[in-house]
Amino acid sequence: ELKVEQNPLFLSMQEGKNYTIYCNYSTTSDRLYWYRQDPGKSLESLFVLLSNGAVKQEGRLMASLDTKARLSTLHITAAVHDLSATYFCAVGPIIQGAQKLVFGQGTRLTINP
Amino acid sequence: EAGVTQSPTHLIKTRGQQATLRCSPISGHTSVYWYQQALGLGLQFLLWYDEGEERNRGNFPPRFSGRQFPNYSSELNVNALELEDSALYLCASSGNRGAVEKLFFGSGTQLSVL
Repeated sequence: ELKVEQNPLFLSMQEGKNYTIYCNYSTTSDRLYWYRQDPGKSLESLFVLLSNGAVKQEGRLMASLDTKARLSTLHITAAVHDLSATYFCAVGPIIQGAQKLVFGQGTRLTINP
Repeated sequence: EAGVTQSPTHLIKTRGQQATLRCSPISGHTSVYWYQQALGLGLQFLLWYDEGEERNRGNFPPRFSGRQFPNYSSELNVNALELEDSALYLCASSGNRGAVEKLFFGSGTQLSVL
């Protein structure tokens, strides 16, 4: 059974600092997603990573994927308050026809001025 | 272009009642997914519909059911509601059957069971 674990689950940081959220998954997968959720809102797709070594960046966020280590990271550079949200990673299993994503528990990020 | 829309936004029911939640996918998307986001438990996969048929199901009891209509909109029904069914129910759609390249989520229905 595919399991996805994120850490930390809660993160409070100051503006201007850098930090990394980790996403570990238990079985081989062919795709990994990062989503953002603001309080009371829906999930917004941030990145889709499809191959080993994939790196994607948008603004102050950068995501990478190491399929051998079964690990993805979401790196935040010089954090700003607007990035406060809950971040989820989700993994899709390599099972043809089994179309479901398994989500991590989410990392609640709070950025303080 | 309209995104994924869900209704109602909030729903309050009592234990034992039935709840019906609705979802309209993005125009052109044929796949609809339902997820439950209970407090402290993250998102749990419920159901996947594509082309009018149920394609996959998560680890939920049979009282969670649904259907997809010819226009690809979908309905989630929860029978015999229990207190622990209180959660945010998210619907998502995608246009690539078998690829799950990207899921687009609706704003959810907050179900409260009293």
